[in-house]
Amino acid sequence: DTGVSQNPRHKITKRGQNVTFRCDPISEHNRLYWYRQTLGQGPEFLTYFQNEAQLEKSRLLSDRFSAERPKGSFSTLEIQRTEQGDSAMYLCAILGGSTDTQYFGPGTRLTVL
Amino acid sequence: AQSVTQLDSQVPVFEEAPVELRCNYSSSVSVYLFWYVQYPNQGLQLLLKYLSGSTLVKGINGFEAEFNKSQTSFHLRKPSVHISDTAEYFCAVSEDTGFQKLVFGTGTRLLVSP
Repeated sequence: DTGVSQNPRHKITKRGQNVTFRCDPISEHNRLYWYRQTLGQGPEFLTYFQNEAQLEKSRLLSDRFSAERPKGSFSTLEIQRTEQGDSAMYLCAILGGSTDTQYFGPGTRLTVL
Repeated sequence: AQSVTQLDSQVPVFEEAPVELRCNYSSSVSVYLFWYVQYPNQGLQLLLKYLSGSTLVKGINGFEAEFNKSQTSFHLRKPSVHISDTAEYFCAVSEDTGFQKLVFGTGTRLLVSP
């Protein structure tokens, strides 16, 4: 147990629909990250939160993507007007205390038909 | 910017044999180095990490890795593998300052057969 839960674990949607994923750290962590992993590839950084502030966004994060962390605890990632190319595993991670180590949740696998 | 190269996309090995998974990185600043393991349809589990100090680091499940700054490498080793070690292994690097995003390699699939 890494102390990070993600819901849903799987999501199948039709192209053009909106989807929202949620990441819940068990305890408070200042830093929270989102990554995307496509088939056969390593995870790629999407965005980063320091408490509730979104401080960094990758160029991968098009204007159809939006992420929030309203109270500095859980975070949501929304994709609007999904495309088949959005099919991937979306991973959330928290930076563990003073260990400078990221711990990952189980991920949400998105399939866009 | 950092980059990570995992030259071997797949490594087949027999049970109880030794294995080495190779990782090379590129960075203009000081970095932290990590190995993660991913089982099918699961998230990433930390195997081991190098932050500072001894260049030989030991992790879970009998794995170890050695940081070689001159060769910019962080190869993962295990003296005797088990069937249960079959998984995807990712090497990753982050700056030791700033917001510390991880940059991953493309992964190495370790296939352990009886």
